[in-house]
Amino acid sequence: DAKTTQPNSMESNEEEPVHLPCNHSTISGTDYIHWYRQLPSQGPEYVIHGLTSNVNNRMASLAIAEDRKSSTLILHRATLRDAAVYYCILRDSGHNQGGKLIFGQGTELSVKP
Amino acid sequence: NAGVTQTPKFQVLKTGQSMTLQCAQDMNHEYMSWYRQDPGMGLRLIHYSVGAGITDQGEVPNGYNVSRSTTEDFPLRLLSAAPSQTSVYFCASSYTNSFNYGYTFGSGTRLTVV
Repeated sequence: DAKTTQPNSMESNEEEPVHLPCNHSTISGTDYIHWYRQLPSQGPEYVIHGLTSNVNNRMASLAIAEDRKSSTLILHRATLRDAAVYYCILRDSGHNQGGKLIFGQGTELSVKP
Repeated sequence: NAGVTQTPKFQVLKTGQSMTLQCAQDMNHEYMSWYRQDPGMGLRLIHYSVGAGITDQGEVPNGYNVSRSTTEDFPLRLLSAAPSQTSVYFCASSYTNSFNYGYTFGSGTRLTVV
């Protein structure tokens, strides 16, 4: 299974942009890059995903390196509600695991007022 | 639209007891799965289903059974609870298990086995 590496924690100030990095040097050509976040005492929440091109949605932007060995989740204006653990996940293309999500430790983002 | 609903939210069991964790979704999702989350270990896949009548094992299936008689429901059964099954359990669903779709998670069931 391809693995991801993220910093354990990051800090941000409210209303400033946040760039959350993720390294995935062993990514395969068919692996999609997914991002989820988990707020305290809640289930994970889907944020965004992409394959090769940068992606934008109402929650965030995803910037994918040209060689696909790294990606960055961008929160354009952090709010206190964005404090959560952010997981960068490669969708497992292995047929025998039914497309499971492989969660690492994630990055714990704290947002200061 | 309720999304993924898990019940109960909290449960305390004695060792050896059995119980069923309920999971229901109203999004007509074909794919459903169960994860457990333990401190410092992230989420791990227990069982999954790609459609009604089809289930398969995930990474940590021992001690758990599942069935999928309808598209909406995917219950997780603990046959004989053990303290090692103390965890937070999350149910997730997706339109398919394709890589191009995100998953919707429930809010979790916090289980303590004493």
